[in-house]
Amino acid sequence: ETGVTQSPTHLIKTRGQQVTLRCSSQSGHNTVSWYQQALGQGPQFIFQYYREEENGRGNFPPRFSGLQFPNYSSELNVNALELDDSALYLCASSLAAGQNYGYTFGSGTRLTVV
Amino acid sequence: KQEVTQIPAALSVPEGENLVLNCSFTDSAIYNLQWFRQDPGKGLTSLLLIQSSQREQTSGRLNASLDKSSGRSTLYIAASQPGDSATYLCAVAMTTDSWGKFQFGAGTQVVVTP
Repeated sequence: ETGVTQSPTHLIKTRGQQVTLRCSSQSGHNTVSWYQQALGQGPQFIFQYYREEENGRGNFPPRFSGLQFPNYSSELNVNALELDDSALYLCASSLAAGQNYGYTFGSGTRLTVV
Repeated sequence: KQEVTQIPAALSVPEGENLVLNCSFTDSAIYNLQWFRQDPGKGLTSLLLIQSSQREQTSGRLNASLDKSSGRSTLYIAASQPGDSATYLCAVAMTTDSWGKFQFGAGTQVVVTP
């Protein structure tokens, strides 16, 4: 098991630009959740994907979008970046969208918007 | 709307002292509550999971209690060590469908001094 890998680890973007963050799930995991963690705050749920379909979304605008691929890796896309989008973005994967399975978190991507 | 609060935001104790971390939530109809540990530059690690029907869970030096009626959970860490220095977050899931779509508190940053 290689765990959950996120790339890049750090990123600096300009306001108004678009960004794509990537998450490679732990082997065999078909469910992934994405979170945004602003400095000094707890993670906020963005959305979850289960077997390539969106399976729930938090209170984030449509410019936050995602994708899950057949190999269950996933992407988080953010359009029209705003300064408040600066945060640590975490993904977490699980064997299935069910309570019996724990979630493994990646180390995150630190996004800075200037 | 569920609000999860953790007080204090930061805590510093000498090695060997017991740690008491608090988590409160406004909607007592939770499905379960989980305690996580977050180290700088690393992802979240699950420490303890308490189901809504349980009063407490224990793992080694860690003990977590849950009082749903009062909307509170407490994490006790016995005989603290410098390696316990980290940020501790509590998170609730409201239903089986919301597993993996956790609502987090802002965390308590703990420093254990040798």
